[in-house]
Amino acid sequence: ETGVTQSPTHLIKTRGQQVTLRCSSQSGHNTVSWYQQALGQGPQFIFQYYREEENGRGNFPPRFSGLQFPNYSSELNVNALELDDSALYLCASSLVGRAGKNIQYFGAGTRLSVL
Amino acid sequence: GENVEQHPSTLSVQEGDSAVIKCTYSDSASNYFPWYKQELGKRPQLIIDIRSNVGEKKDQRIAVTLNKTAKHFSLHITETQPEDSAVYFCAASLFTGNQFYFGTGTSLTVIP
Repeated sequence: ETGVTQSPTHLIKTRGQQVTLRCSSQSGHNTVSWYQQALGQGPQFIFQYYREEENGRGNFPPRFSGLQFPNYSSELNVNALELDDSALYLCASSLVGRAGKNIQYFGAGTRLSVL
Repeated sequence: GENVEQHPSTLSVQEGDSAVIKCTYSDSASNYFPWYKQELGKRPQLIIDIRSNVGEKKDQRIAVTLNKTAKHFSLHITETQPEDSAVYFCAASLFTGNQFYFGTGTSLTVIP
């Protein structure tokens, strides 16, 4: 098991609401990436945070935003929820440094249902 | 951007047989190719990875091969066991990059 933890495990929201998902990275890791995994699909990259700044973004609208804290934990915020936002949200932590290492270890995910 | 295609989408094998899952990628700059196993309701787990400076890597019953010229890589599982049943995802990335591009997954069923 990885040391990446996510909360909550399940969440039900209604369309138009806002949601915050949380991720604690594995000890010693400094980078968190967020992915959206729709049912039956592979994970889709949302964005990555490194040193508290966004370090790359996938094809997701601005209502998907994030934060990284000094302890390297991270939050994913989604505003104005849409039905299509229903998915498993995964975070992955990694250690990125001068040598560069993009080996990512995933958390168990947050299952978001938008009604 | 990178596009990763994965085949087959479903695969059933008898216990003890071999399973092969294939992926292609489009961006020749990609140089890191991990494979993840995801059991129902659980997190994706890294099972093996390969960098573009090698053509093959093996770990017990699991091996990955990479053909940079053809831009494809494959996962090979030998002597399959029922506990190998899961969805397997391939991905492509830059080793120093930030984004993994995942395939659509292969649902492997090992029949006892």
